[in-house]
Amino acid sequence: AQKITQTQPGMFVQEKEAVTLDCTYDTSDPSYGLFWYKQPSSGEMIFLIYQGSYDQQNATEGRYSLNFQKARKSANLVISASQLGDSAMYFCAMREGGTGRRALTFGSGTRLQVQP
Amino acid sequence: GAVVSQHPSWVICKSGTSVKIECRSLDFQATTMFWYRQFPKQSLMLMATSNEGSKATYEQGVEKDKFLINHASLTLSTLTVTSAHPEDSSFYICSAPGGPGVRYEQYFGPGTRLTVT
Repeated sequence: AQKITQTQPGMFVQEKEAVTLDCTYDTSDPSYGLFWYKQPSSGEMIFLIYQGSYDQQNATEGRYSLNFQKARKSANLVISASQLGDSAMYFCAMREGGTGRRALTFGSGTRLQVQP
Repeated sequence: GAVVSQHPSWVICKSGTSVKIECRSLDFQATTMFWYRQFPKQSLMLMATSNEGSKATYEQGVEKDKFLINHASLTLSTLTVTSAHPEDSSFYICSAPGGPGVRYEQYFGPGTRLTVT
């Protein structure tokens, strides 16, 4: 079974509008971490936001927020006020276990295109 | 912040030759490093976990004799693709968990694009 599922291969959004990128996950480990990364055409992985399984509040980092619905096992990324520079691939990822010393499992990604 | 470097950033090699990719943690010690592979238009897939001073752990389906990993120091892990073939052409990315006090963040290298002709 897929551990991380991103069902939107591609998304379009108008500049200055908000967009939600979907991510669902599957794990039986009570302790886990959820990440979102941006990958521009250069290939570098840019960390955007993190949510721990025990975190009570949804994570926010500037224009990025994570809509964490634990019972539904979803961790959607919300980008507010989209900018042209936000056009890139976005990956949702999960680390199982409570420490940072484990590898991440990535979803298939969503290509976001911001239109002027 | 912590930086992980990779060298080379891109390499073209002929089929049958070997190529070595270096992954360095520049301002922290990394007892563990991860190697991922990303084929065009696909996601990152974990290939192996590199542990300083011990053997690497390979994911199912990854040939350990083809992808040699050496983690000889706390700041350097190398991936050698032996007898490379065109199907090994891919984007190889390493990452390292943050140092002491960093609970969750992992630092990714900029990646190495390998093309085998």
